[in-house]
Amino acid sequence: DAGVTQSPTHLIKTRGQQVTLRCSPKSGHDTVSWYQQALGQGPQFIFQYYEEEERQRGNFPDRFSGHQFPNYSSELNVNALLLGDSALYLCASSPRAGEATETQYFGPGTRLLVL
Amino acid sequence: AQTVTQSQPEMSVQEAETVTLSCTYDTSESDYYLFWYKQPPSRQMILVIRQEAYKQQNATENRFSVNFQKAAKSFSLKISDSQLGDAAMYFCAYRIQYGNKLVFGAGTILRVKS
Repeated sequence: DAGVTQSPTHLIKTRGQQVTLRCSPKSGHDTVSWYQQALGQGPQFIFQYYEEEERQRGNFPDRFSGHQFPNYSSELNVNALLLGDSALYLCASSPRAGEATETQYFGPGTRLLVL
Repeated sequence: AQTVTQSQPEMSVQEAETVTLSCTYDTSESDYYLFWYKQPPSRQMILVIRQEAYKQQNATENRFSVNFQKAAKSFSLKISDSQLGDAAMYFCAYRIQYGNKLVFGAGTILRVKS
């Protein structure tokens, strides 16, 4: 049973560039959430997708956008990168129905460094 | 707005001993969920234990148990018989019953001494 997978594992970009991060949810899950974790801090909620729509958004600017595909995988896009966007980006999945719908399972993350 | 506070930036425990990590939260909701996640240096966030606010019984998972005090808005994690593999950053998290996002605390680094 495959868990949540994310790609790439590491990424280096320069200021002003754009980046796309990818996530495949755990088997049987159809809801994907994205979090940003700055070094030494707890994760901060960016947004959540299910049924291919953004359902809730945290306190992040419009430079952060996402997409969910019919197979439930998701992408996080960040435009006009700033130095402060350097962080670990975590994807989490959960089921919409059945048991434990409230529990989110995390992927290994993508470490983004903006120079 | 909901907030989660972990007042212990770092804790140490001797192998085989017991340690308790503290967490308090602020909410006006009556129905919600609380979680403890573990993040080892490999950075994968792993669910340790979860608690439904409507359940008075404290959750347990093997060596891990919680002390949930709803009136005090406190949710501490007790790790018994600590092992070297328990060394990690531990995060307390909260989610309202019909919400989407997890709200995390700042984390507590747990060091296990052999």
